[in-house]
Amino acid sequence: QAQLVQSGDEVRKTGASVKVPCKASGYNLASDGVTWVRQAPGQGLEWMGWINPYNGNTKYAQKFQDRVSMTTDASTSTAYMELRSLRSDDTAIYYCARVFPGGSGWTSAFDLWGQGTMVTVSS
Amino acid sequence: QSALPQPRSVSGSPGQSVTISCTGTSGDIGRYNHVSWYQQFPGKAPKLLIYDVTERPSGVPDRFSGSKSGNTASLTISGLRSEDEADYYCCSYARSVFFGEGTRLTVL
Repeated sequence: QAQLVQSGDEVRKTGASVKVPCKASGYNLASDGVTWVRQAPGQGLEWMGWINPYNGNTKYAQKFQDRVSMTTDASTSTAYMELRSLRSDDTAIYYCARVFPGGSGWTSAFDLWGQGTMVTVSS
Repeated sequence: QSALPQPRSVSGSPGQSVTISCTGTSGDIGRYNHVSWYQQFPGKAPKLLIYDVTERPSGVPDRFSGSKSGNTASLTISGLRSEDEADYYCCSYARSVFFGEGTRLTVL
């Protein structure tokens, strides 16, 4: 059974960085893109970016362009999202999700989601 | 571009149908068929309901259907059930990916 498993909650100080892992099992991570979406408390979903694990190509939302890095480690079937220069408004649940392989492209849809990692940023 | 406008809330009685709209522009929803819809329960990850405007992934009941007219995409839920009470988000592409603001569905 395919699944994405994320790590436990993280707490950081403002200005620090966080690197959130997302481990794939039950399918080949390199086969499909991985996207990252965040959700601030009581708010909606916000797309952060996408990575093609096969070749490492990335596309980031303009809002996060200067502060985010998305990578994958094929040896551990794990995708990572690193966010730097954290601010209090970065407090959110961070989800990884698989690009739906049955869709028409990398932007089509996201079908397999991790359970989310709560990142809390405080001073 | 910010979140795509959706009604903040909709409601319906069991057995009825409700439609949730997602308003875009000629540069996103109007141009591309990369519209998807997600259902999210409190404290849970989103679940894919509709992709490529009208398509349902395996396992999603046919009570859920998607459509598009011009720059507006819609999700219709027929035969409402109490377990449909959740938040619903559209998602579209326009050089980047944008989610809708989200709609809270209440089953009366």
